[in-house]
Amino acid sequence: EAGVTQSPTHLIKTRGQQATLRCSPISGHTSVYWYQQALGLGLQFLLWYDEGEERNRGNFPPRFSGRQFPNYSSELNVNALELEDSALYLCASSLAVTGGWGTDTQYFGPGTRLTVL
Amino acid sequence: GENVEQHPSTLSVQEGDSAVIKCTYSDSASNYFPWYKQELGKRPQLIIDIRSNVGEKKDQRIAVTLNKTAKHFSLHITETQPEDSAVYFCAASLGTGFQKLVFGTGTRLLVSP
Repeated sequence: EAGVTQSPTHLIKTRGQQATLRCSPISGHTSVYWYQQALGLGLQFLLWYDEGEERNRGNFPPRFSGRQFPNYSSELNVNALELEDSALYLCASSLAVTGGWGTDTQYFGPGTRLTVL
Repeated sequence: GENVEQHPSTLSVQEGDSAVIKCTYSDSASNYFPWYKQELGKRPQLIIDIRSNVGEKKDQRIAVTLNKTAKHFSLHITETQPEDSAVYFCAASLGTGFQKLVFGTGTRLLVSP
């Protein structure tokens, strides 16, 4: 079974440009999550999509946005790039929320390293 | 508020020793606590997780304990090996029915041969 895949592996942009990152979840998973991992720091939650809708977002400005397609793949868009947006962006996927336990195991992709010059 | 504290930030042990990493969380409704291992340049990999209806879970050399009253959970690695060297992240779910995970800041574990 294929794992979570992300593209591109690396992305270099300049300040003010827009970046688009892509993620394909594990087959059968309907939830996709985006995290930002700045150098030397932990994982910061960005966005959660399920069944095509944004379910939750972290404490990031509106220039971070995304969408989920009917095949459950997802895009993360970052507009008006700033130097501090340079980071590893990780996508994870999981099954849908089940029963009363809420959270299902999240499996991560390899990440896209975004560098803003 | 949403917060997971993780200690220590770095941990150096000799091969064969045990390693313990501790995390505390602030949301009393958290009910899912996964641990991820991230090797240099690689994706985080789930190594063990625990839900709030149990106090301990073991998988070979790895165990996790949960104290809901004190709102802390710990990762225990016994008989450490050089390949255990990595950054370990704890996380806690935010509320019931929420898929959002709040991560700790990570522990860099170095196992020396």
